Amino acid sequence: ETGVTQTPRHLVMGMTNKKSLKCEQHLGHNAMYWYKQSAKKPLELMFVYSLEERVENNSVPSRFSPECPNSSHLFLHLHTLQPEDSALYLCASSQTLQGTANTGELFFGEGSRLTVL
Amino acid sequence: GDSVTQMEGPVTLSEEAFLTINCTYTATGYPSLFWYVQYPGEGLQLLLKATKADDKGSNKGFEATYRKETTSFHLEKGSVQVSDSAVYFCALRRQTGANNLFFGTGTRLTVIP
Repeated sequence: ETGVTQTPRHLVMGMTNKKSLKCEQHLGHNAMYWYKQSAKKPLELMFVYSLEERVENNSVPSRFSPECPNSSHLFLHLHTLQPEDSALYLCASSQTLQGTANTGELFFGEGSRLTVL
Repeated sequence: GDSVTQMEGPVTLSEEAFLTINCTYTATGYPSLFWYVQYPGEGLQLLLKATKADDKGSNKGFEATYRKETTSFHLEKGSVQVSDSAVYFCALRRQTGANNLFFGTGTRLTVIP
């Protein structure tokens, strides 16, 4: 079982739909992240949670709504998205906000490929 | 603000060729530097890291040296393989703050037999 699991892997939705992306980590980490990966752009940090508290909301439109019910699960609720929101959404986790002890490493899921029609 | 700039690519090489992917950074203080790799259909995974000036990170035949004087962290491999085909991301982590990890745009490498 991989450390960080994301579902669904692919999602196609219309602009009026409501859907959710799910992330689950099995690593016992305390920090979880949502990133947006678009072609030819740096990874964009969207949200950061530490011990289930949101500590960063990086000027993300309100049509994206995160939820962290416990330290193992992270959701991204999607509502009235735009075609430019089509991207790969990556979830990551780390031991603390400073990364993982000794490495500063983040552990990423495989991503959810979102297409907005 | 802090940022990372890496060569755009894509980069196409023949098997056993020498690889260099350039990465330069802008940061205050003394960040840690990383290379992450994303294989097709997978998430990013840490390839190597360096935490202070003149440190050399290495893994799977890849190397990168933290050069403070040139603010660079170029990725190199002496002989690439088809299995190295992936997207490579340079990143820096500054010492404080929740939003403390900055990625480059990624460089796609394709190695042909």
